[in-house]
Amino acid sequence: EAGVVQSPRYKIIEKKQPVAFWCNPISGHNTLYWYRQNLGQGPELLIRYENEEAVDDSQLPKDRFSAERLKGVDSTLKIQPAELGDSAVYLCASSLNGQPHEKLFFGSGTQLSVL
Amino acid sequence: AQTVTQSQPEMSVQEAETVTLSCTYDTSENNYYLFWYKQPPSRQMILVIRQEAYKQQNATENRFSVNFQKAAKSFSLKISDSQLGDTAMYFCAFMNLWGGSNYKLTFGKGTLLTVNP
Repeated sequence: EAGVVQSPRYKIIEKKQPVAFWCNPISGHNTLYWYRQNLGQGPELLIRYENEEAVDDSQLPKDRFSAERLKGVDSTLKIQPAELGDSAVYLCASSLNGQPHEKLFFGSGTQLSVL
Repeated sequence: AQTVTQSQPEMSVQEAETVTLSCTYDTSENNYYLFWYKQPPSRQMILVIRQEAYKQQNATENRFSVNFQKAAKSFSLKISDSQLGDTAMYFCAFMNLWGGSNYKLTFGKGTLLTVNP
């Protein structure tokens, strides 16, 4: 069975340009997470979805970041316009129903470089 | 707010030997989970081991075990018989089970472990 799939693996853009990341969670997983991992740091949660509903987006910079999970399956995270400080690895993860005893599965992330 | 501190930015160990990675955390809550995740160069975070705070017995998973000291708020990871494939970043993480935190994971800054042949 395929794990959490993310694309692209790498993205290089100039500042002020838009960028989008795509995530396909494990089949049947209702809960989806987007994390941002800055260089030398652990991941930080940006947004969490239960099916198609964003239940925790308190850490998402809403002036430039947006996310969607249409039909409660795959998800897209967008940045517009990108800033130099957005350079990071963006990780997607999924779990069955978001319960603490469930295992969290991560994708391999998208490494974003903003020049 | 919860914080997780990993005081060892880098560590190295010889193949087949044992190494211990340190982690401390700060919380006023009594019910939580603690985790160790491994992140190899592929960037994919992989769960190594999990400990539930209400369980006094230390968790073990094959060559991996933890020393959970709840009063001291300490959660160290011991890797026995280290293998070359254990080379990776290791992150300690905390999950509060109460207070409306939506089971959010809080990660430390990580420890880079290198296993030498």
